[in-house]
Amino acid sequence: EAQVTQNPRYLITVTGKKLTVTCSQNMNHEYMSWYRQDPGLGLRQIYYSMNVEVTDKGDVPEGYKVSRKEKRNFPLILESPSPNQTSLYFCASSRQGHEQYFGPGTRLTVT
Amino acid sequence: AQSVSQHNHHVILSEAASLELGCNYSYGGTVNLFWYVQYPGQHLQLLLKYFSGDPLVKGIKGFEAEFIKSKFSFNLRKPSVQWSDTAEYFCAVNPLRGTYKYIFGTGTRLKVLA
Repeated sequence: EAQVTQNPRYLITVTGKKLTVTCSQNMNHEYMSWYRQDPGLGLRQIYYSMNVEVTDKGDVPEGYKVSRKEKRNFPLILESPSPNQTSLYFCASSRQGHEQYFGPGTRLTVT
Repeated sequence: AQSVSQHNHHVILSEAASLELGCNYSYGGTVNLFWYVQYPGQHLQLLLKYFSGDPLVKGIKGFEAEFIKSKFSFNLRKPSVQWSDTAEYFCAVNPLRGTYKYIFGTGTRLKVLA
């Protein structure tokens, strides 16, 4: 089954404790992306990757890091999480220019 | 900066009413256009898309959208909504030149009353 998986689905952590949210897709898509969704602000793109070892900033990259060492995986790293990064995070993948397939989401709370 | 505007933030309709959600984008070049739906507690799913050709596109569940290039608009329509259409709807644009970012609107929350 074609899908995008994210782990964990829910995470509560404390300020400053590094964390990684994993994202994996099995559709051989070259394009992957991370978004955060906040009430009233819609989806905002954090980082995206057009292919292995090619990443670029989206609209809200501050406080986040990504890497794309393999085509299928695109982890999101928060080196020192802060409460303003409490949000719902979605990973997505697609063929370039085509519709995106979204993961189930990760609800992160930073206290 | 490139942006996507969805003018209706919250819409409440009764079942069988007609729906039109506005979407305008600011980008002068060629774009691919999308509407996604997010049902409560779920991730985004594609409703329909426009790449080229007939500017009136049909999607799933009876939705359609019309691309009007001169107005930079891609409005979503449905002739008769159902309670199960209660969801949040997002318009998105992918410019085909210069950047590969997908740009989403802020979403329209639709509530359909039974």
